[in-house]
Amino acid sequence: QQQVKQSPQSLIVQKGGISIINCAYENTAFDYFPWYQQFPGKGPALLIAIRPDVSEKKEGRFTISFNKSAKQFSLHIMDSQPGDSATYFCAASNKDSNYQLIWGAGTKLIIKP
Amino acid sequence: GAVVSQHPSWVICKSGTSVKIECRSLDFQATTMFWYRQFPKQSLMLMATSNEGSKATYEQGVEKDKFLINHASLTLSTLTVTSAHPEDSSFYICSARSGRDYNEQFFGPGTRLTVL
Repeated sequence: QQQVKQSPQSLIVQKGGISIINCAYENTAFDYFPWYQQFPGKGPALLIAIRPDVSEKKEGRFTISFNKSAKQFSLHIMDSQPGDSATYFCAASNKDSNYQLIWGAGTKLIIKP
Repeated sequence: GAVVSQHPSWVICKSGTSVKIECRSLDFQATTMFWYRQFPKQSLMLMATSNEGSKATYEQGVEKDKFLINHASLTLSTLTVTSAHPEDSSFYICSARSGRDYNEQFFGPGTRLTVL
């Protein structure tokens, strides 16, 4: 019940296209859903996060869509650029788990020029 | 703001030696720090959680005598890999959170450990 399932494992998108990565969770107590971006050999960096009281959050080209009833959330990268090529991780946390992040398996995104 | 540094960024050591990795929060006080391990092409695996001034809480399966964690101040936590072996080779990442938003973790750049 603590799992966060992420798909796809890898994704290739043309420059300028929309990249979409999906995550699903079981624990309805989760109340914080961040997305992290990680470049090779670097630590993850927080990209954008959402709480379950809103269905969408947008920051620049990055948007999180959140579907509470389906227990799913997704990351949309608009106008994808080669510099967006990285591994993306979704995660979830809540107070009951001492705010420990439960991680998805990651998605390797490649943006083709 | 919210910068976390790690030192060293990479280290190579001989089997049987000990290696210390430092994690510092540069512009905030970290009430809690986390240590993760990441294998190639895999997600982050939480090793332990440390709160300033108290003993670390280790995840199931992590040997606390092998991976010594000290969180001596609000800006510094250290991970010491004792008697390192080749199977300890990995990418170690720390993160820190302040008392302002318990959900938000700020990650260090990671330390690549290679044990020969």
